[in-house]
Amino acid sequence: GENVEQHPSTLSVQEGDSAVIKCTYSDSASNYFPWYKQELGKGPQLIIDIRSNVGEKKDQRIAVTLNKTAKHFSLHITETQPEDSAVYFCAASKSGTYKYIFGTGTRLKVLA
Amino acid sequence: KAGVTQTPRYLIKTRGQQVTLSCSPISGHRSVSWYQQTPGQGLQFLFEYFSETQRNKGNFPGRFSGRQFSNSRSEMNVSTLELGDSALYLCASSLGSSGGAYEQYFGPGTRLTVT
Repeated sequence: GENVEQHPSTLSVQEGDSAVIKCTYSDSASNYFPWYKQELGKGPQLIIDIRSNVGEKKDQRIAVTLNKTAKHFSLHITETQPEDSAVYFCAASKSGTYKYIFGTGTRLKVLA
Repeated sequence: KAGVTQTPRYLIKTRGQQVTLSCSPISGHRSVSWYQQTPGQGLQFLFEYFSETQRNKGNFPGRFSGRQFSNSRSEMNVSTLELGDSALYLCASSLGSSGGAYEQYFGPGTRLTVT
């Protein structure tokens, strides 16, 4: 069935370093890949997304890359700051549905 | 624009009872999706509504149901509550354009505890 694997489950980095979170999806028909940041007591917040016709997208310190052949996509956060500490989720979806398949989440801790 | 609002934010119910949760989407958004979030199963899709019609459904028992009103507000209902239904229930809103695969914006969730 549809599945999204996410690694690592926890990640600690020093402030100013980069963080990379990786996801693999199983459904080759998936064509939309959002990333969400969830802080304690809040709902997930959309931080960046990418569609299958694009290989990379960047927004300030955040970038996402997509490898359709390998069915991999990754989130890159550069110059991390303590406020980046949160749980990050990747997801996959496809045209014709608003059903997202979520990864299991990565708890990112940025150490000051 | 105001974001997605969910009420109530917290709820405590007893096994066997039923519960109704409410979601108001972002103004102009016509699609509302519901997700269940638990530490063990993560974020799981329940169902999606557009123009008062259920378009997609996840793999949950029939005790979980929903509906959408003409103003796009949505409710979900869980009947005969079980301890395992304790979770954060999230509502997500989207424009709902045909073809799917568009941005969804989440509300803060309703924390349901079943005792």
